Amino acid sequence: KAGVTQTPRYLIKTRGQQVTLSCSPISGHRSVSWYQQTPGQGLQFLFEYFSETQRNKGNFPGRFSGRQFSNSRSEMNVSTLELGDSALYLCASSWRGQETQYFGPGTRLLVL
Amino acid sequence: GENVEQHPSTLSVQEGDSAVIKCTYSDSASNYFPWYKQELGKGPQLIIDIRSNVGEKKDQRIAVTLNKTAKHFSLHITETQPEDSAVYFCAASPGGYQKVTFGIGTKLQVIP
Repeated sequence: KAGVTQTPRYLIKTRGQQVTLSCSPISGHRSVSWYQQTPGQGLQFLFEYFSETQRNKGNFPGRFSGRQFSNSRSEMNVSTLELGDSALYLCASSWRGQETQYFGPGTRLLVL
Repeated sequence: GENVEQHPSTLSVQEGDSAVIKCTYSDSASNYFPWYKQELGKGPQLIIDIRSNVGEKKDQRIAVTLNKTAKHFSLHITETQPEDSAVYFCAASPGGYQKVTFGIGTKLQVIP
């Protein structure tokens, strides 16, 4: 089985721009979670989607949003980028819940 | 919400020695405790997990112990090898559809 894939792997944006990241889960997995990873804060939960519905949400501003498609692929969007949004964004998939999550390699976002 | 504390933040051991990483959690409803290993440039990978009805679990050189009364759990790696060098994350969750909360991570260095 192919693992979780994320595109793009690297991204450079400037402040004020917006960005869209994509995640393809393991085949058959219906739950997709997104995390922000920074050296000082560790892994911070952004949100989780299950069957195209957002089921859980972390403590991030409304500039961070996401969606899930009928084939379980997910996208997250960050609008009006700030320097502090520079981070590794990780996507994780699981069969139906947040236990036993499988992570992708991440998208490294640099905001200048 | 859940709060997971992890110690130490860095750990250096000689090859062949044991390594222990400790975590505490705050939410008594948590009953699922996974451990992840993250190598440079990769996403976290699940290495072992334990549920609250089990006190200890082993998988070759890796073991995890759980003390639900004290709300702490630990990862033990025996006979460490250079390829064990990575960042290790503990996590806790009430299970099911509830979100997973991660510790800050421990950078383990195994010195040949």
